[in-house]
Amino acid sequence: SQQGEEDPQALSIQEGENATMNCSYKTSINNLQWYRQNSGRGLVHLILIRSNEREKHSGRLRVTLDTSKKSSSLLITASRAADTASYFCATGQGGSEKLVFGKGTKLTVNP
Amino acid sequence: NAGVTQTPKFQVLKTGQSMTLQCAQDMNHEYMSWYRQDPGMGLRLIHYSVGAGITDQGEVPNGYNVSRSTTEDFPLRLLSAAPSQTSVYFCASSYSPLAGGETQYFGPGTRLLVL
Repeated sequence: SQQGEEDPQALSIQEGENATMNCSYKTSINNLQWYRQNSGRGLVHLILIRSNEREKHSGRLRVTLDTSKKSSSLLITASRAADTASYFCATGQGGSEKLVFGKGTKLTVNP
Repeated sequence: NAGVTQTPKFQVLKTGQSMTLQCAQDMNHEYMSWYRQDPGMGLRLIHYSVGAGITDQGEVPNGYNVSRSTTEDFPLRLLSAAPSQTSVYFCASSYSPLAGGETQYFGPGTRLLVL
């Protein structure tokens, strides 16, 4: 069963705008990860945030984690056409060797 | 490094046939896993391995077998293919088991069509 649920399912923006995607999950976690998947390709890891962290940055990416609300957000600033892809959150639980993926947000960045 | 490689890229099977999807990594990663991706379903874990000789079931293991005789290879066997196994299959690996929080490296995927 899915642990993380991304919102929205699809997002269309113009180049230069910011894109925000949200992920909600149900049970306690020890880390949450975001991955990107370009059409027809494998997933690429973007960023990992641990349960004791509230915010992380990587280039144009900003991830926040609110464990009290069981939610995370991924912000892509100054988006580019090359950011067009599906974005997935994945949660890891303490002591578990399983990473549980959500259904993803499909982002389209129009030139 | 080639990273995670998967073969074949695309395969068509008839119902009842068996086949093996190959996965190999050259990064000396301990952890390897297999996922299937269906439209609108995200990725679901089939089987995983925390090291050579050790495998365990994921969320959707029925109809699939795995073995891990070497660190590098983690083949996925379909015993008797069914149309419900039509999907895109991804192999992934990470340096160490996931419990402590590790990122995974994904292969390019194998598209399987079962008629």
